[in-house]
Amino acid sequence: QVQLQQSGAELAKPGSSVKISCKASGYTFTSYYISWIKQTTGQGLEYIGYINTGSGGTNYNEKFKGKATLTVDKSSSTAFMQLSSLTPDDSAVYYCARGPFDYWGQGVMVTVSS
Amino acid sequence: DVVLTQTPPTLLATIGQSVSISCRSSQSLLHSNGNTYLNWLLQRTGQSPQPLIYLVSKLESGVPNRFSGSGSGTDFTLKISGVEAEDLGVYYCMQFTHYPHTFGAGTKLELK
Repeated sequence: QVQLQQSGAELAKPGSSVKISCKASGYTFTSYYISWIKQTTGQGLEYIGYINTGSGGTNYNEKFKGKATLTVDKSSSTAFMQLSSLTPDDSAVYYCARGPFDYWGQGVMVTVSS
Repeated sequence: DVVLTQTPPTLLATIGQSVSISCRSSQSLLHSNGNTYLNWLLQRTGQSPQPLIYLVSKLESGVPNRFSGSGSGTDFTLKISGVEAEDLGVYYCMQFTHYPHTFGAGTKLELK
């Protein structure tokens, strides 16, 4: 069965970076893009961008350019998102989702605090 | 960016009651390829969003047929014909006709 397994919760200091992962199984990894979504209580669900898992090409929401960097490792069927120059506003749950949003990961809580 | 406005923000229902949620878009969601990329998601407490409906009215595999979606252009509706306890949570519409993809603010379905 299709699964997207995300890495564990992160506690990070302001100004640092975190890299979270999304490991896919149960389907041909390169057949679907992977999207990333941010969820906060205040802003709701926000679309960060997607990565073409075959070519590695990316497309970012303007709002997240410079904040998020999407990469992929085809050999392990894993997509990654690095968040840089963290501030408390980056504290959120981050989800990965397969192409047409038909499968979602369980989410990763990122907390930015000194 | 496309703004999706969901109403009502909160919905109180009894078990067995039929309810509807509206999602209105600031732009038409009809893609140039003829598809309308409007999905509905349900997020139960403590869980990730799960897909219910895609392309306005098509049920995802395993979703009970008490859920139905309708609409076109800028106006869309999710209907639950006979609410069950497992249906409680927050419902979101989302669009990926236009980039960046966007989400509604959610409608929380609670028991009356």
